[in-house]
Parts: sequence; structure tokens; C-alpha cells
Amino acid sequence: DIQMTQSPASLSASLGETVSIECLASEDIYNNLAWYQQKPGKSPQLLIYYASSLQDGVPSRFSGSGSGTQYSLKINSLESEDAATYFCLQDSEYPWTFGGGTKLELK
Amino acid sequence: QVTLKESGPGILQPSQTLSLTCSFSGFSLSTYGMCVGWIRQSSGKGLEWLANIWWNDDKYYNPSLKNRLTISKDTSNNQAFLKITNMDTADTATYYCARSERYTTDSPDYWGQGVMVTVSS
Repeated sequence: DIQMTQSPASLSASLGETVSIECLASEDIYNNLAWYQQKPGKSPQLLIYYASSLQDGVPSRFSGSGSGTQYSLKINSLESEDAATYFCLQDSEYPWTFGGGTKLELK
Repeated sequence: QVTLKESGPGILQPSQTLSLTCSFSGFSLSTYGMCVGWIRQSSGKGLEWLANIWWNDDKYYNPSLKNRLTISKDTSNNQAFLKITNMDTADTATYYCARSERYTTDSPDYWGQGVMVTVSS
């Protein structure tokens, strides 16, 4: 199985700041990497697919980058609604596997 | 408008079989490239992908659950199903179904609200 190591596990930032979340795959996943946002009691929402493609309706302050085994999600100009848990998912190879999640808190 | 909704028993006893239904609208599982999958989330293990069924009836399972999983679909009624045999307390989780579409996002883009399943004696 491909292991997805996500960091940091938690993050505290202020409104207007820029933050990055990383996912490291145990092998090359050829950009088959998605990022999700999940708020308490809600289902995950797709933000980014194919490592850097922005899902329809997602604000442009979210961006994804990376290749090979290293990927990152960047959130510019943090807004209060961005407080959530973020997950990465590799769907390059079965079984699909998720990162452990990053809980983003707004100060 | 794409929507998915899971339904299930809520609570069951150890060793019983879990049967989940995903009822969806806004797309068809007979359309080329479509997929419905199941993912679960527990406080102990985060998000875990379980199984996918594709428009052409290809099926994929998470080997960590060995032979306990069976995924199926009823294209006419816009439903997908998941059975998990020999349930254990460790299977207590929220179970989601989600749609994927090959050659567009590929990754699950629409998710149901989830159904909480508790395994307890």
C-alpha cells in the first residue's frame, strides 16, 4: 500500500496569513493527489484534484502543487471559514489511501 | 445536481453483517467513467477507503478488510450497496459513499452526508 504522511497534524494561524500543508507519498503517485476540507459533522469537500487543479466553486486562495512523492496545499489570506481539517488522498493505485489529516485552527 | 445519501442500520452486534445503501441522483452509474465508492471514518483510524464499483462493473476492494467486503450496484434504481461481514467493534465508524468520474476529477468529488454505524453487544 502507498503510505501518505501528512504534516503538520495541527496548525494555528491568524486571519490573513498564508499556510501550507504537506503530503509525502511512500512512492511516486504521478500527481494523482487530491485535497479535501472537512468541517465538524460534515462530509469532506473536494478542493484540489490532480495535485493542482482547483475544483469548481473553490476559492482561488486555495492552491495545490507538487510532483512525484511530495505535494502541498497552500491557503492564502486565511479567512475564518477556513478553520477545518484537511486531508490528502492518493488515487494513483489501489488501495486508495488518505493522509492522517491536518487540523487548522484560526487564532 | 449530484446528491448521494447513505442508509444503514445504525447499530448492530458483533459478528453480524452490515448492509449499506447509497441512493444517488444527478448521474448514472451506467455512464462511461462513473464510479461510486465507500469510505469510512473513525476517530481511531481517520479516513479509510473501502471499495469502488465502476460503470463497467469493475470492483476494487481494500485488502485490509480481506474478504469481508462486497460492493454492488442497481443501475436502474440509482443505488450502490456495500456489505461487510463479521462486523467488530473496530468497525464502528461513519460510512460515506462518494462519486468519482474518470477523466474529469478522478478523485471523489461528491460525497453523501454519511451514516453512523455502531457495533456493540
